[in-house]
Amino acid sequence: QSVLTQPPSVSGAPGQRVTISCTGSSSNIGAGYDVHWYQQLPGTAPKLLIYNDNNRPSGVPDRFSGSRSGTSASLAIAGLQADDEADYYCQSHDSTLRSYVFGSGTKVTVL
Amino acid sequence: EVQLLESGGGLAQPGGSARLSCVASGFTFSSYAMSWARQAPGKGLEWVSTISGGGESTYYADSVRGRFTLSRDNSRDTLYLQMSGLRADDTATYFCTIPGGQLFFGPFNLWGQGTVVTVST
Repeated sequence: QSVLTQPPSVSGAPGQRVTISCTGSSSNIGAGYDVHWYQQLPGTAPKLLIYNDNNRPSGVPDRFSGSRSGTSASLAIAGLQADDEADYYCQSHDSTLRSYVFGSGTKVTVL
Repeated sequence: EVQLLESGGGLAQPGGSARLSCVASGFTFSSYAMSWARQAPGKGLEWVSTISGGGESTYYADSVRGRFTLSRDNSRDTLYLQMSGLRADDTATYFCTIPGGQLFFGPFNLWGQGTVVTVST
């Protein structure tokens, strides 16, 4: 049971914008801890996509953006492309567990 | 180029032991904390353990504390995860990863390709 809850799947047509939610609580996202996002292409290791809520590492397209509000965070993918098909995970800190916590993961399908 | 190369995975018996290694290259290994994370088949990601750059401090998830031991050899740029008392729910792909920012608050900046551990009779 993941501490951070994500929808199991999200889909969209090429060129569309999709968003993935990451819902936490007052002991993690709601406490103001930074949220990070990862992309995991099929059969590969996770790759850092967004760090500290809304920052992109070098090389990540600006089609990917992050935001947060209250006890939730969101990842938006604009101009959806076929190679965006992957699993996406959010991550933050939880003060009760005193640990890193990950979201349950969301599979993005390009129709 | 920064690289992390894990090895040591395979089939282990319930109650048995295994040792994973992660060889780092392309950066000053001793200057960075290092972590292991894992992913059970078809499941999400789980942080396992973290060690400080000098190896003085180690941290563990509740699920592995007392069974797993994390260590490093900075002269060999290598990270080790000694696993004992293995259980079926330890079956997973284990990733070596570099934590960034403040420990326990920052992201995992880079991940190795992973090594698969299967615990079964």
